[in-house]
Amino acid sequence: GAVVSQHPSWVICKSGTSVKIECRSLDFQATTMFWYRQFPKQSLMLMATSNEGSKATYEQGVEKDKFLINHASLTLSTLTVTSAHPEDSSFYICSASPGIQQPQHFGDGTRLSIL
Amino acid sequence: KQEVTQIPAALSVPEGENLVLNCSFTDSAIYNLQWFRQDPGKGLTSLLLIQSSQREQTSGRLNASLDKSSGRSTLYIAASQPGDSATYLCAVMGNDMRFGAGTRLTVKP
Repeated sequence: GAVVSQHPSWVICKSGTSVKIECRSLDFQATTMFWYRQFPKQSLMLMATSNEGSKATYEQGVEKDKFLINHASLTLSTLTVTSAHPEDSSFYICSASPGIQQPQHFGDGTRLSIL
Repeated sequence: KQEVTQIPAALSVPEGENLVLNCSFTDSAIYNLQWFRQDPGKGLTSLLLIQSSQREQTSGRLNASLDKSSGRSTLYIAASQPGDSATYLCAVMGNDMRFGAGTRLTVKP
């Protein structure tokens, strides 16, 4: 149980394209979802926390207008990288939790490459 | 498919003790291994990152080792404190990132 599906696993696209990444909890309801990014040879960094039905809370230094997060249902959160540029190339991973004090379950990540 | 196992699943120690958390992985073809801390209801906090070419990393009271050939890593916490109570996750980066299920640590005052 507790499966989180992240799609797509790999994206290559041209500069200026907007890219949407989906994170789905397949067998539980996720009241909270987290989005992370990781640059090569660097640690995983939390970008934002999203709670179902409310606006996401972004970490310092993360542009809200650049990384749009929507958590419209208890099983789906999306991260849209708007007008992506090469510096946005990174590994993005989501996690989902059924509630406060509950463990997080992670997707397999999305590798984004902007040409 | 890479599988990551953490032992023990839970650990309770008195304040001041030194302790070791274990992480094992099945595929040695990794780029790096990370240890994270997870507090309830919070996102992950990265503790240490070990590149595949490295054998250990240290930060304060924390020391992480990596033996890629045997598929093992340990996180050593010296002089544990109640504030260290959290869940500790290890994650390996290969073609994607794979996490262990975590060790829930409780340090009693």
